[in-house]
Amino acid sequence: GQQLNQSPQSMFIQEGEDVSMNCTSSSIFNTWLWYKQDPGEGPVLLIALYKAGELTSNGRLTAQFGITRKDSFLNISASIPSDVGIYFCAGRTGNQFYFGTGTSLTVIP
Amino acid sequence: EAQVTQNPRYLITVTGKKLTVTCSQNMNHEYMSWYRQDPGLGLRQIYYSMNVEVTDKGDVPEGYKVSRKEKRNFPLILESPSPNQTSLYFCASSLSSGGNEQFFGPGTRLTVL
Repeated sequence: GQQLNQSPQSMFIQEGEDVSMNCTSSSIFNTWLWYKQDPGEGPVLLIALYKAGELTSNGRLTAQFGITRKDSFLNISASIPSDVGIYFCAGRTGNQFYFGTGTSLTVIP
Repeated sequence: EAQVTQNPRYLITVTGKKLTVTCSQNMNHEYMSWYRQDPGLGLRQIYYSMNVEVTDKGDVPEGYKVSRKEKRNFPLILESPSPNQTSLYFCASSLSSGGNEQFFGPGTRLTVL
């Protein structure tokens, strides 16, 4: 299967700091997606990206679809305690979805 | 309330004993999918269905079966479970096969001894 590598694996940050995480793939995707998973729940879609170079924001979250179509990044500005969770990137090819390995975010008040 | 439900939420079973995990959505979604989540590996797609009677293999289909006889239901069947199928399983649905916003169920934690 296709491999999506996410980094970093985990982050411990102070409340109010900005966060940056990225995702790289060996394959090209037509759509990049970013999800957040809270403990004990299923992932929830945060941002969807459809075009190479696209930069999209959702509140304090900003994500970009890499020019090569093989990477994407997610930024979270001014983190707050409820940002805690695991963040997954996902790439879509046809009707199949491939998820990254996840970035675990801990926000210290 | 719009939701995806899964049953059971927790299951401990033994090798070789057939089991079914049910998934149901009340949003009239066409696309449904099953994933397994393992530490360090993220979520991997097992099977997906674009509509009734239309199913297809995902990235890790070996050892699993699915069926889609009704639009709302998409059960995951393990005919002969093995310990390497111990995992956290998620069902998800989206409005259509073109839709990217998948709504995930609460997960089923399966342990195969």
